[in-house]
Amino acid sequence: QVQLVQSESELKSPGASVKVSCKTSGYSITDYAMNWVRQAPGQGLEWMGWINTNTGKPTYARGFTGRFVFSLDTSVSTAYLQISSLKTDDTAVYYCARDNGGDFDFDYWGQGTLVTVSS
Amino acid sequence: QSALTQPPSVSGSPGQSITISCSGSSSDVGNYNFVSWYQQHPGKAPKLMIYEVTKRPSGTSNRFSGSKSGNTASLTISGLQAEDEADYYCCSYRGGDSFAFVFGTGTTVTVL
Repeated sequence: QVQLVQSESELKSPGASVKVSCKTSGYSITDYAMNWVRQAPGQGLEWMGWINTNTGKPTYARGFTGRFVFSLDTSVSTAYLQISSLKTDDTAVYYCARDNGGDFDFDYWGQGTLVTVSS
Repeated sequence: QSALTQPPSVSGSPGQSITISCSGSSSDVGNYNFVSWYQQHPGKAPKLMIYEVTKRPSGTSNRFSGSKSGNTASLTISGLQAEDEADYYCCSYRGGDSFAFVFGTGTTVTVL
């Protein structure tokens, strides 16, 4: 069965970096695009962008350029989200979500990774 | 990028039907049949309930249905059950100068 398993929660200081992983199983990671979604505490869902898992090309939503990087390691079926120069406003749960093969929706989600940025 | 507009909360008694609206624009909901709906229980990941406006993934109860008129999409839950109490988010593809998705503001459904 399809599974997306994310890395554990992280506590970081402002200015540090964090790398969240999303390990896939039950399908070939290169067959479906991967999206990233942010949810700040008590807030709604926000689409951050996606990565073409065939070419490795990332596309970032407005507001997620510069400090945010999507990457892949297809040899271990894993997608990554790296955030640099962390700010307290980056405190949120970050989800990876598989694109449903051209239906423009997200059919499988990781369990979420809480990133807390605090001094 | 501005979010789609949903009512903050909707409530109903067990067995009743409720409808959640999702208001967008001609750049998203109004021009594309790529509206999806997600259910999120507290502390859990979102779950796909409806895709392409009206389609249900396998395993989704037929009590959930979707529709669209103009720039507004809707999710209807019929025969409301206690387990339906959750947050619901719509999402639409947004065309234009770049490939993008936009989520709705979210609606909390309370079963009275």
